[in-house]
Amino acid sequence: AQSVTQLDSQVPVFEEAPVELRCNYSSSVSVYLFWYVQYPNQGLQLLLKYLSGSTLVKGINGFEAEFNKSQTSFHLRKPSVHISDTAEYFCAVSDRGDKIIFGKGTRLHILP
Amino acid sequence: DAGVIQSPRHEVTEMGQEVTLRCKPISGHDYLFWYRQTMMRGLELLIYFNNNVPIDDSGMPEDRFSAKMPNASFSTLKIQPSEPRDSAVYFCASSLASAGGEAFFGQGTRLTVV
Repeated sequence: AQSVTQLDSQVPVFEEAPVELRCNYSSSVSVYLFWYVQYPNQGLQLLLKYLSGSTLVKGINGFEAEFNKSQTSFHLRKPSVHISDTAEYFCAVSDRGDKIIFGKGTRLHILP
Repeated sequence: DAGVIQSPRHEVTEMGQEVTLRCKPISGHDYLFWYRQTMMRGLELLIYFNNNVPIDDSGMPEDRFSAKMPNASFSTLKIQPSEPRDSAVYFCASSLASAGGEAFFGQGTRLTVV
C-alpha cells in the first residue's frame, strides 16, 4: 500500500531564506509524485509533479523538487521564500494515475 | 472549464439530519475523489471512482457515509445520520489518468454538525 510521510508538521523560516520541506513515500510500484499548496480557506493547487524523466522538477512560484528513488524521497525546495509563501504544503503519491494519497501536510511560516 | 464545482460551500446542520454534498468534476476527467480534511487526521481519501464506478471505498468511516456517481458529470456524498464528529471540510477532486493523474480540487464544503 502507498503511504506518504511528511517529517515536519511546521517549518518556520525567515523571509528571503531558503527552505526545504521533506517528503518520503512508500510504494511497491512505480509512482507519480506531487506537491500541492493550500492557502487558507481554499482548495489544493498543484505546485509541481514528477511523472518520469529528469529527477529535478521545477514548479510554480519558484519551487522545485528532486525525486530520489533510492531514498524514496521527494523533497520540496525554494532558494528564497516570500511572505506570500505562507501556506500548508502537501506531498502526494499516485500509483500511475490511480488513487492519490496525501501526506499530513507541512505548515510553512514565514518570519519577517 | 470552470474547474471542479462543489456545493454548498458551507453547511450547518443538526445532529441526526441527513447531509448531501455535491460535486461536478471537470469535463472529460475519468477519476473522481472525495477527501475529508480535519486538523487531527489531515487529508483522508474517503472513496474514489473511475469512469463512474466506485473503485475503493475503504476510507469511508462508517455505513452512515455513502457516495454515488450516477453519471460522468455529477457525484454526491451523503451522511445519514450526521454526527458532530463529521464536522470537517470535504473536498472533491477529479483527474485524467492519461494526462499524468494530477488532481484538480474544488473549493470544498465546510460541514458543521451541531
